[in-house]
Amino acid sequence: DVKVTQSSRYLVKRTGEKVFLECVQDMDHENMFWYRQDPGLGLRLIYFSYDVKMKEKGDIPEGYSVSREKKERFSLILESASTNQTSMYLCASRGANYGYTFGSGTRLTVV
Amino acid sequence: EDQVTQSPEALRLQEGESSSLNCSYTVSGLRGLFWYRQDPGKGPEFLFTLYSAGEEKEKERLKATLTKKESFLHITAPKPEDSATYLCAVQYNFNKFYFGSGTKLNVKP
Repeated sequence: DVKVTQSSRYLVKRTGEKVFLECVQDMDHENMFWYRQDPGLGLRLIYFSYDVKMKEKGDIPEGYSVSREKKERFSLILESASTNQTSMYLCASRGANYGYTFGSGTRLTVV
Repeated sequence: EDQVTQSPEALRLQEGESSSLNCSYTVSGLRGLFWYRQDPGKGPEFLFTLYSAGEEKEKERLKATLTKKESFLHITAPKPEDSATYLCAVQYNFNKFYFGSGTKLNVKP
């Protein structure tokens, strides 16, 4: 089975901190994604990457950046965390013509 | 405006009471419609992909159908372990999807 592993299940960070969320997949998928999930708003795409060092903005990229130095790893960076970035963050990978495989999520609280 | 709407927001069923969840969409250029199951505190788990109107997919007590404007997830004789939030997502570009807000299903024994 494809596995997508997110490094932390729960994180608490202070306003203004730089936050790194890590994601690793083990199925050699080209495409990787970062979503955030908020009650009533569903899943919203932050960034995605279709190849090493390639990235594209999703629907809500402001305040975030990403890094993909290796095919299996996709990192989400909150440059200066703010309270409105408190959310569940979901990483996913996808092969051609398939649905997403999601990680278990990181619940981030910014205080 | 492209949109994906799921209804109802929440559904309570007795064990064995069959029902359907709805996902309606106004997305042009549909490339696929996906159903996921999400348990509390976990990431969504892929269930089905449907590509064209008239297509149906089944897995255990779940059956997904697709028309030109909506998809249904039929749950036959549900069990308490079917309790979860069910999400649908519409693919409109190779790597772009619209997600619905989900239907939270609670099956009582």
